[in-house]
Amino acid sequence: LAKTTQPISMDSYEGQEVNITCSHNNIATNDYITWYQQFPSQGPRFIIQGYKTKVTNEVASLFIPADRKSSTLSLPRVSLSDTAVYYCLVAPIAGNNRKLIWGLGTSLAVNP
Amino acid sequence: GAVVSQHPSRVICKSGTSVKIECRSLDFQATTMFWYRQFPKQSLMLMATSNEGSKATYEQGVEKDKFLINHASLTLSTLTVTSAHPEDSSFYICSASRGAGETQYFGPGTRLLVL
Repeated sequence: LAKTTQPISMDSYEGQEVNITCSHNNIATNDYITWYQQFPSQGPRFIIQGYKTKVTNEVASLFIPADRKSSTLSLPRVSLSDTAVYYCLVAPIAGNNRKLIWGLGTSLAVNP
Repeated sequence: GAVVSQHPSRVICKSGTSVKIECRSLDFQATTMFWYRQFPKQSLMLMATSNEGSKATYEQGVEKDKFLINHASLTLSTLTVTSAHPEDSSFYICSASRGAGETQYFGPGTRLLVL
């Protein structure tokens, strides 16, 4: 299972775009990249998932370069409610036990 | 879609008693469910993986006789903490996926406090 590295914490202000980069140097060919958001005392919430290039949904964009050794979660115009921990996970899309190995994530603080 | 619920949301019990936590996928059939534990300021730790109709696969260091997991239907999995002790106090979170390799969707978690 590929190991991921993220910044421990980030600070931002309301209205700014926030980019959180995750390194996964030993990502395998059949691995997908998934990002989750977690608020205190709540279960993680799925944000976005991708394999390569760019993926966009209603809440975020995910940029993955050609070598797939890193990925960047982009949150446009953050608000105070985006203050949370963001986790980057890499795991194979196939297999009976698709384990997710969780790191400490990136604690994002959005300031007024 | 992809809503997962847990019950109860929080529970306080006496040491030595057993506690059952339910995890339900409300709008999809979950072939696979996962159980995690999270201590304060720490990351999620996978406890076990369960596939509907078969025995759960436990992670190293997790006692299967203490943490009983049942996944009897495609929408329900239960975790029973038997003979709970204060060190079992934690935040327990389940996740569910439609099938092997599918995205995991998480429940809201259950806060367990053992006195």
